Amino acid sequence: DAGITQSPRHKVTETGTPVTLRCHQTENHRYMYWYRQDPGHGLRLIHYSYGVKDTDKGEVSDGYSVSRSKTEDFLLTLESATSSQTSVYFCAISSAYEQFFGPGTRLTVL
Amino acid sequence: DAKTTQPPSMDCAEGRAANLPCNHSTISGNEYVYWYRQIHSQGPQYIIHGLKNNETNEMASLIITEDRKSSTLILPHATLRDTAVYYCIVRLSQRSGSARQLTFGSGTQLTVLP
Repeated sequence: DAGITQSPRHKVTETGTPVTLRCHQTENHRYMYWYRQDPGHGLRLIHYSYGVKDTDKGEVSDGYSVSRSKTEDFLLTLESATSSQTSVYFCAISSAYEQFFGPGTRLTVL
Repeated sequence: DAKTTQPPSMDCAEGRAANLPCNHSTISGNEYVYWYRQIHSQGPQYIIHGLKNNETNEMASLIITEDRKSSTLILPHATLRDTAVYYCIVRLSQRSGSARQLTFGSGTQLTVLP
């Protein structure tokens, strides 16, 4: 498996609280992505990064911010979590042709 | 990226070949066909990709029609562990120079039966 981990793996939080999810890679890949997966919607792109400090928005970026200060880490922040952000979040990294996905973080916002 | 159409579900007997079809009639000349799968609760897993030639790796074979409007993923000897949702995705390769995200449709739920 590609060296990609996510933390935490599970989190329960309350509406209005800030939440940060971490994606860590050991592959030194340039591109990193955050997706969310909800029933009936498949995976949808939130934000992606094409290098340190270089990020851009995806399809469903409202309510999320990201940061990438090091090649190996890509952070996803929910500034003020809402119940609609309850989801499973997947991080991915990509080589020339493939994307490798992390194990996912299950986030519940009460 | 071109849109794909897959059957929502399929069954296959254990040990038999699983043939998963995908239609992508609007594919453009420089778009690749990718296949990923997602086993319940896990992250998607890359299986194979191709442009116009048939491809084979240790996991599967990919057959692309000559007009490139459809393709078939073949798992030659399906096992219970192959039960998953299989996604057919058409997109430019990463080498296109842009951070091309994957656009996942609904996929095909393959159930391998004992």
